[in-house]
Amino acid sequence: ETGVTQSPTHLIKTRGQQVTLRCSSQSGHNTVSWYQQALGQGPQFIFQYYREEENGRGNFPPRFSGLQFPNYSSELNVNALELDDSALYLCASSRDRSYQPQHFGDGTRLSIL
Amino acid sequence: QKEVEQNSGPLSVPEGAIASLNCTYSDRGSQSFFWYRQYSGKSPELIMFIYSNGDKEDGRFTAQLNKASQYVSLLIRDSQPSDSATYLCAVNAGNNRKLIWGLGTSLAVNP
Repeated sequence: ETGVTQSPTHLIKTRGQQVTLRCSSQSGHNTVSWYQQALGQGPQFIFQYYREEENGRGNFPPRFSGLQFPNYSSELNVNALELDDSALYLCASSRDRSYQPQHFGDGTRLSIL
Repeated sequence: QKEVEQNSGPLSVPEGAIASLNCTYSDRGSQSFFWYRQYSGKSPELIMFIYSNGDKEDGRFTAQLNKASQYVSLLIRDSQPSDSATYLCAVNAGNNRKLIWGLGTSLAVNP
């Protein structure tokens, strides 16, 4: 069984740029959730995708957007990057929208200069 | 505001002791509860999940849920230095199924 994979592992950008982060869900999982985790904080929910549609969103501005593909992989796009966007971005997949556990990838460390 | 609260610690226990981690939540409609372990610089790793009141055991780990009192706890028996990490409590509530996270409890197991 293939686990959740994220790419890239590390990324350095400058303010105002745009970034795309990618996530491949675990086999058999059709739901992907994205989280932002700042140093010393718990993960903050960005949004969730279920069968290619957004299924809930946290308190993040519209410049955070995403999509899910037919194979259930997903992308997180962030436009107009700000210094505060520097964080670990985590993708988690789960079996469906039910209360099943979420399994995390290794994350993408994004640094904004 | 729905919240999940944990004691930030650090919680320090000697090797071989029982570590007890606690989490309280505010939403009475919460349905499922998860404990994740996170090593520094790494992503969270699922340790336990529990849906029903009572205890659930898996090896050295026991999750305890009390919905009436709105708390969930994690017991780690025979603690090992490799258990030293931050333990995150997450609660799944609401129709959009998002996880609400605590800030985590730092555990240090001393040899």
